[in-house]
Amino acid sequence: KAGVTQTPRYLIKTRGQQVTLSCSPISGHRSVSWYQQTPGQGLQFLFEYFSETQRNKGNFPGRFSGRQFSNSRSEMNVSTLELGDSALYLCASTSARGGLGEQYFGPGTRLTVT
Amino acid sequence: QKEVEQDPGPLSVPEGAIVSLNCTYSNSAFQYFMWYRQYSRKGPELLMYTYSSGNKEDGRFTAQVDKSSKYISLFIRDSQPSDSATYLCATVNAGGTSYGKLTFGQGTILTVHP
Repeated sequence: KAGVTQTPRYLIKTRGQQVTLSCSPISGHRSVSWYQQTPGQGLQFLFEYFSETQRNKGNFPGRFSGRQFSNSRSEMNVSTLELGDSALYLCASTSARGGLGEQYFGPGTRLTVT
Repeated sequence: QKEVEQDPGPLSVPEGAIVSLNCTYSNSAFQYFMWYRQYSRKGPELLMYTYSSGNKEDGRFTAQVDKSSKYISLFIRDSQPSDSATYLCATVNAGGTSYGKLTFGQGTILTVHP
């Protein structure tokens, strides 16, 4: 079974631009969560989607948004990029309906904002 | 104060040593516990997943949970240089609307030298 895939793997953007990241979960997994990982803050939860609905959201500004498609693939968008948005963005999927089971992570998208 | 505290190390041990990694948490609502291993520039890889207090063993890895003390541990026996990575503990609040949200410790950097 293929694992979680994320595209692109690396991105360099300029302040003020926007970016869209993509995540394809493990086949059969309907819950997708997104995390931001930085050296200072560690792994922080962004949001979770299940059946195209956002069920949970972390403490991030509204510039961070996401969506999920009917095939469970998910995208996250960051608008008006700031230097502090430079991070590794990880998505994870789980088969548990409540999103509380084991989560399997993708390799991440490394975003650099200059 | 962070909800999950983990000593960031770094921790350096000789090959063959027994490694002990630990986390404490403050929220009694945390019910599920996980350990992830993350190699440099990769996504976290799930090592252990447990719910109840007690020990769970998988090969050279043993996860231990003490809910009364809010303390979780990961033991690695016969450590190998390939175990060199960052180890992250994570917990899940099983109640309410915590869909998909893992709360992570800061991670412990482990180096196993030959």
